[in-house]
Amino acid sequence: GNSVTQMEGPVTLSEEAFLTINCTYTATGYPSLFWYVQYPGEGLQLLLKATKADDKGSNKGFEATYRKETTSFHLEKGSVQVSDSAVYFCALSDQSGGSNYKLTFGKGTLLTVNP
Amino acid sequence: NAGVMQNPRHLVRRRGQEARLRCSPMKGHSHVYWYRQLPEEGLKFMVYLQKENIIDESGMPKERFSAEFPKEGPSILRIQQVVRGDSAAYFCASSPLAHLNTEAFFGQGTRLTVV
Repeated sequence: GNSVTQMEGPVTLSEEAFLTINCTYTATGYPSLFWYVQYPGEGLQLLLKATKADDKGSNKGFEATYRKETTSFHLEKGSVQVSDSAVYFCALSDQSGGSNYKLTFGKGTLLTVNP
Repeated sequence: NAGVMQNPRHLVRRRGQEARLRCSPMKGHSHVYWYRQLPEEGLKFMVYLQKENIIDESGMPKERFSAEFPKEGPSILRIQQVVRGDSAAYFCASSPLAHLNTEAFFGQGTRLTVV
């Protein structure tokens, strides 16, 4: 079956520090990969995505590259801000088998950025 | 354009009571998905509905849980005779098309506590 493993938190950084949140996956088909973010008191929002190997998703200074050889989709940002404090979820949807609407999530990583 | 609205945000039920969770999708969205997040776990797919139809309920527990999305009104996730293990955050997402990849929007979730 499909699964997503992401680094456990919480992660605490100072403003302007470099961020990496690791994510690896197992999938039976050809997944699309996503990062969702949940700010305090809000719903999950799609942060970025990649649909095939070697694609790089990017948004708001965040990046992640779909690495098929290492089955990874690590999230990075060069300089975090206090406003980036949130829970980050890595997820996949399997594009084969007709159920690509179904997302498989990791457990989430809480990021706190201090001024 | 209002986002996906879930209510209530917090719900406390005693064991054996019924819980009804509501989800109003974004305007123009006719596809609704429910996910559950147990403590220390990632979100898990429960059910996918279109107007008046259940498309995929493979993630729903076999007993006590049901979902509907009537022609008029919100989608309802109903849990009968709640038990402590039902305590979780329940998230709803909606999309205008069947494919979840980029158009899905999540609500803020309903936190159910069973006492």
